[in-house]
Amino acid sequence: SQQGEEDPQALSIQEGENATMNCSYKTSINNLQWYRQNSGRGLVHLILIRSNEREKHSGRLRVTLDTSKKSSSLLITASRAADTASYFCATARKAAGNKLTFGGGTRVLVKP
Amino acid sequence: NAGVTQTPKFQVLKTGQSMTLQCAQDMNHEYMSWYRQDPGMGLRLIHYSVGAGITDQGEVPNGYNVSRSTTEDFPLRLLSAAPSQTSVYFCASSYVKAGGTNEKLFFGSGTQLSVL
Repeated sequence: SQQGEEDPQALSIQEGENATMNCSYKTSINNLQWYRQNSGRGLVHLILIRSNEREKHSGRLRVTLDTSKKSSSLLITASRAADTASYFCATARKAAGNKLTFGGGTRVLVKP
Repeated sequence: NAGVTQTPKFQVLKTGQSMTLQCAQDMNHEYMSWYRQDPGMGLRLIHYSVGAGITDQGEVPNGYNVSRSTTEDFPLRLLSAAPSQTSVYFCASSYVKAGGTNEKLFFGSGTQLSVL
């Protein structure tokens, strides 16, 4: 099974609302990263949070990391139609040579 | 800035044919990797490399071969294509922090491969 598991698998919200998605993982990590993928395109890096950090912000994005629960959340505030995409978490695991392993993603639809 | 360049963008193969997907990066990244993405799923790691001359297997390496003769290039070879290899393939590279931790990945635009 995959190291990172996103929840929910799909999310539909109105423009202006906040979107929250979660990622759980199984083993100790060095860092956790969030990526966005627009339909038919490659992935774009959003935020990297290290294992000794608890929260990071980038524009309308807020990422939290709880290493005791082995989970992370991505919050998109004041969503826009352009935020419609799939969002993936990826973990760099200490026990896996630090290669990045991706979860199955959350598909977000922001309705205008 | 070119970043990560993948070719071709689309390819159709017949079962049993072989081909090479090309990947090049111009950021002097040590780490390069190949992922495949199947419909509705996340990315699964095929092979990766932490530097010229060094390659290793990921989660789904069977049926694929790689080499890393230069820092810039990391081609992926399909030895004998099978319908199960129909997928979208992404190449990605990253800088490796001191101590071996991968920083953010830069992705190519992908190759859509169909095996008939």
